[in-house]
Amino acid sequence: ILNVEQSPQSLHVQEGDSTNFTCSFPSSNFYALHWYRWETAKSPEALFVMTLNGDEKKKGRISATLNTKEGYSYLYIKGSQPEDSATYLCAFERAGNQFYFGTGTSLTVIP
Amino acid sequence: NAGVTQTPKFRVLKTGQSMTLLCAQDMNHEYMYWYRQDPGMGLRLIHYSVGEGTTAKGEVPDGYNVSRLKKQNFLLGLESAAPSQTSVYFCASQPGGSIYEQYFGPGTRLTVT
Repeated sequence: ILNVEQSPQSLHVQEGDSTNFTCSFPSSNFYALHWYRWETAKSPEALFVMTLNGDEKKKGRISATLNTKEGYSYLYIKGSQPEDSATYLCAFERAGNQFYFGTGTSLTVIP
Repeated sequence: NAGVTQTPKFRVLKTGQSMTLLCAQDMNHEYMYWYRQDPGMGLRLIHYSVGEGTTAKGEVPDGYNVSRLKKQNFLLGLESAAPSQTSVYFCASQPGGSIYEQYFGPGTRLTVT
């Protein structure tokens, strides 16, 4: 069994606050680390795919970093807005095209 | 483009019945995946395909079969449904290679009574 762990499980922040979540994954057989945003009643939508140790990706107010040697990735949201409320999933892609998802961090941004 | 579509959206089965879930994508993607999503658990990979005519087992393949006869379609079959297979099923597709994201379908909610 391959464990991908996300923390915290849920988070409530005030509008305007910045926040971050963690994804931990095995450091062996690493191929890529994916972040997805999943709104209620919709399908997961891709945010980032990272493959190299030290990768940093940014999309608007959301950014992510990757440390493959120690097996973790951080997702940051700067100046949270109510529309950022969603579950954020990370997925570890192992060599051989197998994906292992974490259980997600549920973010609620309070106006 | 419709992206990734799934048929049906909802289904209720009795224990022992069989059914097939259809996933279709119009993006000419090489890779396709079937996941199940259960409360308190992450998406778990059932089976996947890296090209037409190929399939492979994922993390939780027991009780399911798949076929990829056409590049655009990936079918998930339940031969004899069990209550433990009550779940929401998501299909995803991905262009060939690991530097691309997956594109997910809207999901199929299956209840087995």
